[in-house]
Formats: sequence, structure tokens, C-alpha cells
Amino acid sequence: QAGLTQPPSVSKGLRQTATLTCTGTNSNLGTQGAAWLQQHQGHPPKLLSYTNNNRPSGISERFSASKSGNTASLTITGLQPEDEADYYCSAWDTSLRAWVFGGGTKLTVL
Amino acid sequence: QVQLVESGGSVVQPGRSLRLSCAASGFIFNNYIMHWVRQAPGKGLEWVALIWYDGTIIHYLDSVEGRFTISRDNSQNKFYLQMNSLRAEDTALYYCARENGAFDFWGQGTMVTVSS
Repeated sequence: QAGLTQPPSVSKGLRQTATLTCTGTNSNLGTQGAAWLQQHQGHPPKLLSYTNNNRPSGISERFSASKSGNTASLTITGLQPEDEADYYCSAWDTSLRAWVFGGGTKLTVL
Repeated sequence: QVQLVESGGSVVQPGRSLRLSCAASGFIFNNYIMHWVRQAPGKGLEWVALIWYDGTIIHYLDSVEGRFTISRDNSQNKFYLQMNSLRAEDTALYYCARENGAFDFWGQGTMVTVSS
């Protein structure tokens, strides 16, 4: 099943802003909301944002999401060492009738 | 608080079967769609299956359709993944997850290794 496309890695400096992208198709991101998850090594994923920019309780305002057409973005401001993690996007695909994930972006905070 | 606890992972030979369980607590279980998501060692997340609140709607990843069966028991606050005809490529950490707009709570995962 075709997934979403994310860059494998992004590196940014401490206190800088990182924008992670996720590209899909008309049958997923084009018509459905995007979710973003963060995963630290050895831990389960944690939901950061869903249906484009709804943040679960306890998620910092430094994380904000947006979507334009078939591309979703996650912007992380004021990067902190603890932001170093893998980030995944996800969406429901109406054609596949399946949830699809991106391959993940490894964010390095320099 | 919301808790999801997976169990049943093991080392099995190709072609054999395994049943995973996920015990839910801290929320009204039958109000939520539930999912299995897996992660092969060193790889990304891969959605496996979902089951609706009452079990009436079920969807699977193409590569597991016909081999895996998802089910739930709302009276026990549990759901399951019956995995038959296991293949080496099914080797992964299997997570159960709750859907609330997206996957908002996850268990710690249970490891399935398919190897001869």
C-alpha cells in the first residue's frame, strides 16, 4: 500500500525552527486530515497533532501543523534537545480504505 | 488514566499462528475505534488493521488480508489480532492504539519474531 512521503532527515540548530513536510495524494491528504506523531527511540509514538492542527492536551504550542493541497507540514519552533526524535505523518486513505504513514523524518537538533 | 497493554508476542516459525491481545482501561472502550500498528526493527510505522466500536466494520493492510483477523470483546475491554500463516516480513513490534481523530493512545507494544 502506497504511503506518504517524508524526507528521511532534517537537522536544525538549538532554538531554531524546523518545518517537516509530508506529501500524499488526493485520496489521503488531499481530502483527509493529517496527523503527526513523535517517537523517541525505544518508546511508542506520541500524538502531536491531528486533523491538521488540533493538539492533544499537554502538547506544547511549539508544535503546529498545517496543510495545503496534498502536502502537510509540522512546524516546531524554539527547538530543544528533547525534540530530537522521529516524526511520522499519517492519514486515512479513502481509496485504500486504510491508514497510511509516512516513512518518518529523523530530526536532529544540533 | 488511559492504558493499553499488549500481550501474546513470541518467536514463531514461518507458517505458524499467534494471537495478540490488547487490554484497555481508563476509558469507555466501546466508544472507540481500535487499531493494530506494527514497526519492524529499525523501520517506520505500518498500520495493520482497525475495528469499529461494535466490530461491524473492519479494515486490513493488503498484505495481511486473509491471514490476520481483528476482533474485540467489549464486555472484557479487550481486542485481539489473530495472525495465521506468519511470514518473516511480519516480524515487528505490534502496538495497539486507540483512535480519537487519530492514534491518540498507544500501548508499549509486543514483539513478534517469525523465524525458523
